[in-house]
Amino acid sequence: GQQVMQIPQYQHVQEGEDFTTYCNSSTTLSNIQWYKQRPGGHPVFLIQLVKSGEVKKQKRLTFQFGEAKKNSSLHITATQTTDVGTYFCAAYNNNDMRFGAGTRLTVKP
Amino acid sequence: KAGVTQTPRYLIKTRGQQVTLSCSPISGHRSVSWYQQTPGQGLQFLFEYFSETQRNKGNFPGRFSGRQFSNSRSEMNVSTLELGDSALYLCASSLVSRVYGYTFGSGTRLTVV
Repeated sequence: GQQVMQIPQYQHVQEGEDFTTYCNSSTTLSNIQWYKQRPGGHPVFLIQLVKSGEVKKQKRLTFQFGEAKKNSSLHITATQTTDVGTYFCAAYNNNDMRFGAGTRLTVKP
Repeated sequence: KAGVTQTPRYLIKTRGQQVTLSCSPISGHRSVSWYQQTPGQGLQFLFEYFSETQRNKGNFPGRFSGRQFSNSRSEMNVSTLELGDSALYLCASSLVSRVYGYTFGSGTRLTVV
């Protein structure tokens, strides 16, 4: 079955540094979604990527879908303390969907 | 509009008991899915319902079951609770998950003692 690996598991950065989390699938994906979960909260939908090589931006967040549609990344430029939380990818292989284990981001002010 | 509502928010049960959790999706959403979240295992998919039919099921034992009603509200039941069932149980609803993503509820924190 589909395997989804998300790395790193944890990332601690100084405020102002950049951050990237990667989501890698063993199979070709139809689409991928990203979610953010604040400490004590629930996952919140951020964005969806569908096309090969697609890049989308939301302010300081940049989302990319690989050319082979097997991997994706989320990059945050100049992190702020409000970026703290766990970032999950949700990888779709047609009707089969798997969440990555998440990357927990902590930001030191 | 109202979000996804899960009740109760917190629950403490004894090993061997059974529990029922409730989820009311966003109005108009017919897809409801359930997840178990633990610090060690992350988000684990339990099952998904669409129009009262179970569409997908994760790798959980038969003690975990669910159903969806005609008004799209959903319940999940866990029988013969074990200590390892202690977790945050999240419900998510969607109009079309592959297009719009999921909207999650705040979850039910279940503690089994």
